Amino acid sequence: KNEVEQSPQNLTAQEGEFITINCSYSVGISALHWLQQHPGGGIVSLFMLSSGKKKHGRLIATINIQEKHSSLHITASHPRDSAVYICAAGGAGGSQGNLIFGKGTKLSVKP
Amino acid sequence: DTGVSQNPRHKITKRGQNVTFRCDPISEHNRLYWYRQTLGQGPEFLTYFQNEAQLEKSRLLSDRFSAERPKGSFSTLEIQRTEQGDSAMYLCASSTRTGEETQYFGPGTRLLVL
Repeated sequence: KNEVEQSPQNLTAQEGEFITINCSYSVGISALHWLQQHPGGGIVSLFMLSSGKKKHGRLIATINIQEKHSSLHITASHPRDSAVYICAAGGAGGSQGNLIFGKGTKLSVKP
Repeated sequence: DTGVSQNPRHKITKRGQNVTFRCDPISEHNRLYWYRQTLGQGPEFLTYFQNEAQLEKSRLLSDRFSAERPKGSFSTLEIQRTEQGDSAMYLCASSTRTGEETQYFGPGTRLLVL
């Protein structure tokens, strides 16, 4: 079993829909990262959070430390949101730098 | 642009050859990370540096792999006697000293071993 699990693996939505991507982790962490990867490989960091909720534009990330679960929400989705979204656990096992990544959720938003 | 840069962006090599990749982090970032990503998978941690010190290495980093960051600025990742299983995207990221901050990723070097 992977230490960081994401669901769903693939997600297709219509433009304008509200999207939720889930991430569960089985290790103790210091922070949970959400990343966006576009075709061609470029990775952009979206959020890093250790508690509560963060919002940036149409993106919202939440984390429940007790339940070891985080969600990434996209409101009013747009085709340009199409990408792979990856969650990663930081500071797992006392590591100072190691990120443990989920396999990613491939999102496709249709116009 | 002062983001993380990686060179080369693509590398095709024959099995058994040595390859070296370079990463230039954001200038004020003390921490530098190397990750490997195979098709359809999330990235996997390889190693990281704080300044010139290599502080952590994954079990994935076999004896054929070596990474350096001699002056605490750019880093190189060398793979000796490449194998087809080494084909992957090699990603570099950097962050500030604390390591608890956002990691900024480079565009990656895509390696294909024939």
